[in-house]
Amino acid sequence: DAGVTQSPTHLIKTRGQQVTLRCSPKSGHDTVSWYQQALGQGPQFIFQYYEEEERQRGNFPDRFSGHQFPNYSSELNVNALLLGDSALYLCASSLVQDHYGYTFGSGTRLTVV
Amino acid sequence: QKEVEQDPGPLSVPEGAIVSLNCTYSNSAFQYFMWYRQYSRKGPELLMYTYSSGNKEDGRFTAQVDKSSKYISLFIRDSQPSDSATYLCAMDLTDNFNKFYFGSGTKLNVKP
Repeated sequence: DAGVTQSPTHLIKTRGQQVTLRCSPKSGHDTVSWYQQALGQGPQFIFQYYEEEERQRGNFPDRFSGHQFPNYSSELNVNALLLGDSALYLCASSLVQDHYGYTFGSGTRLTVV
Repeated sequence: QKEVEQDPGPLSVPEGAIVSLNCTYSNSAFQYFMWYRQYSRKGPELLMYTYSSGNKEDGRFTAQVDKSSKYISLFIRDSQPSDSATYLCAMDLTDNFNKFYFGSGTKLNVKP
C-alpha cells in the first residue's frame, strides 16, 4: 500500500519565480494538508483541502495557493518566490475528522537562490 | 510567544537509558496531543497520541498529558540507537480539522 507520494524530491528556484509541488495521498484518504518546515523548526500549517476546496488556512500570504483534484491528489503553488520560502514542504493525507490518521510524505526540499 | 514550545536539544544518551522529552503549550483549548518521530530527510511519522489528559503506553513509549500545567511528555524506555531522530510534539483543537500546531522538535542521539 503506497503511502503519501510527493514530487519532486528536490527543487532549486530563483527569487521571483513560481513553483508547483505535487502530492498523491495515501490510498483511501480524502483530505490533504500542506506544511512548511524550515530548517531546525517544526512543520507549520499552510492549508488543507477536502472535497476540492480549501477548508482551513494557516498564516501564509496569498502567494501560497493550492488545488485538490477529483482523485484527491493536490498541488501547492508558490508565486514570487522569496529566499525565506526555502524549506521542506510536507504533504499529509488523512480521512476527514480523523485526528490521528495523518500520514506524511517525505517532502519536497525547495531551495530559493 | 509560540503556541507550542519544545527544547531543541540535541539530547545525547547512552543505549538503554530512559529518555524524557517535553513540550509546553499556551492554548488551553488544545485537546489532541501527538508525538511524531522524524528521521533525517523523511517526513514525520506518528508515534503516540492521546486525547485530553492522562497517560498512554505503547511498548517502550509512554505519553503523558498534564492539562493543568499545559505540559506533555514522551518517555522512551530502554532507548536504542534506532531511536535516534528528531521528536516533534503536535497539538490540535477539538474542531480544528487537523490544523496541527507543532513544536520545533528535539533531536535525540542514542549512543551504542
